[in-house]
Amino acid sequence: NAGVTQTPKFRILKIGQSMTLQCAQDMNHNYMYWYRQDPGMGLKLIYYSVGAGITDKGEVPNGYNVSRSTTEDFPLRLELAAPSQTSVYFCASRTGQGGLEKLFFGSGTQLSVL
Amino acid sequence: DAKTTQPTSMDCAEGRAANLPCNHSTISGNEYVYWYRQIHSQGPQYIIHGLKNNETNEMASLIITEDRKSSTLILPHATLRDTAVYYCIVRFTMYSGGGADGLTFGKGTHLIIQP
Repeated sequence: NAGVTQTPKFRILKIGQSMTLQCAQDMNHNYMYWYRQDPGMGLKLIYYSVGAGITDKGEVPNGYNVSRSTTEDFPLRLELAAPSQTSVYFCASRTGQGGLEKLFFGSGTQLSVL
Repeated sequence: DAKTTQPTSMDCAEGRAANLPCNHSTISGNEYVYWYRQIHSQGPQYIIHGLKNNETNEMASLIITEDRKSSTLILPHATLRDTAVYYCIVRFTMYSGGGADGLTFGKGTHLIIQP
């Protein structure tokens, strides 16, 4: 199993550009999450999904959109990129069994908006 | 979810046991204690979790006090590769009020293993 795969690893955007951060998992997990991490800080939840077709906002959803058309994929869309979106983005997934919070994380996407 | 308090940073000599404390004095009876770590530039990695009893796995041991108000993560023989930020998180399970909105990661403890 590859686990959670994120692409790209690095990206530089100009202000106002748009892009999609890709996240895929091959563990048949129902629950998927997008976090962002600013330098020296903890992780903040952007969006999450409890299954295909179901998404919900986290702590910092403004400026982002998500979709979940399949169990495997959970892309994060940035519209009209702003410097405040410069961050490292992590995708995570977990099984829903037992309700325990054993998350598997991807290796992250480092995004700079200039 | 109960709030946790961790030291900002700690040092430990390579080969020694690293003991990372976490205070969660307002923990409720059904809340679990989770530990994750984040090695520089990587995504967080699950280490261990517990409810009441002490737990051990191939990565670490988790010691929870009898009153559950604090816990200690023990890395028995620390190596340089254990240098990371360690997060202690307290959370209800999804089925007992925790919801599906995942874990909240604070600033954690920056553990530095010295050669």
